[in-house]
Amino acid sequence: DADVTQTPRNRITKTGKRIMLECSQTKGHDRMYWYRQDPGLGLRLIYYSFDVKDINKGEISDGYSVSRQAQAKFSLSLESAIPNQTALYFCATSDSPGTAIQFFGPGTRLTVL
Amino acid sequence: RKEVEQDPGPFNVPEGATVAFNCTYSNSASQSFFWYRQDCRKEPKLLMSVYSSGNEDGRFTAQLNRASQYISLLIRDSKLSDSATYLCVVNGGGGADGLTFGKGTHLIIQP
Repeated sequence: DADVTQTPRNRITKTGKRIMLECSQTKGHDRMYWYRQDPGLGLRLIYYSFDVKDINKGEISDGYSVSRQAQAKFSLSLESAIPNQTALYFCATSDSPGTAIQFFGPGTRLTVL
Repeated sequence: RKEVEQDPGPFNVPEGATVAFNCTYSNSASQSFFWYRQDCRKEPKLLMSVYSSGNEDGRFTAQLNRASQYISLLIRDSKLSDSATYLCVVNGGGGADGLTFGKGTHLIIQP
């Protein structure tokens, strides 16, 4: 079984709809992250969390919110989706700042029409 | 100035050849360096960490040049399965845990 899972894997929605992307991990890591990836722009950090009570904005947090429901779960919400939020979204985890190695989920492909 | 820069490619290389690409970083205080591999429409996966003395993992060799602030990845005896995008990752930037991802170098191994 995958250590980091994301649901849904693909989603098509309409402008103005509220969307939630979910991430779960069985690695026991404290740190979790949400990125989006667009062609030519690489990975950009949206939000990150170092533990259940910790939430931090990343490079491009506008239009997004997150919830860290438990150590193993980190959800990303788009309150009112817009077409330029069409992208590939990745969740990642890491165990410590020392190694800084991040482990990625399989991604969610989101299309906003 | 971009924090981590890579030549986007694509690098078109015949099977069996040796290929190398570099990555430059702007923060001289960076301490951790990695190469990740990403297949089309898949998640990035750690290929190898990069150590100060350089390190090798099978056909892959990573080198770090702190003075010139660049990291290199050498792939020997390239296989068709090496076709992917290779992401350079450096800490010391503005991301969480200070990780900054390069945009990647696209490698295509041709039969």
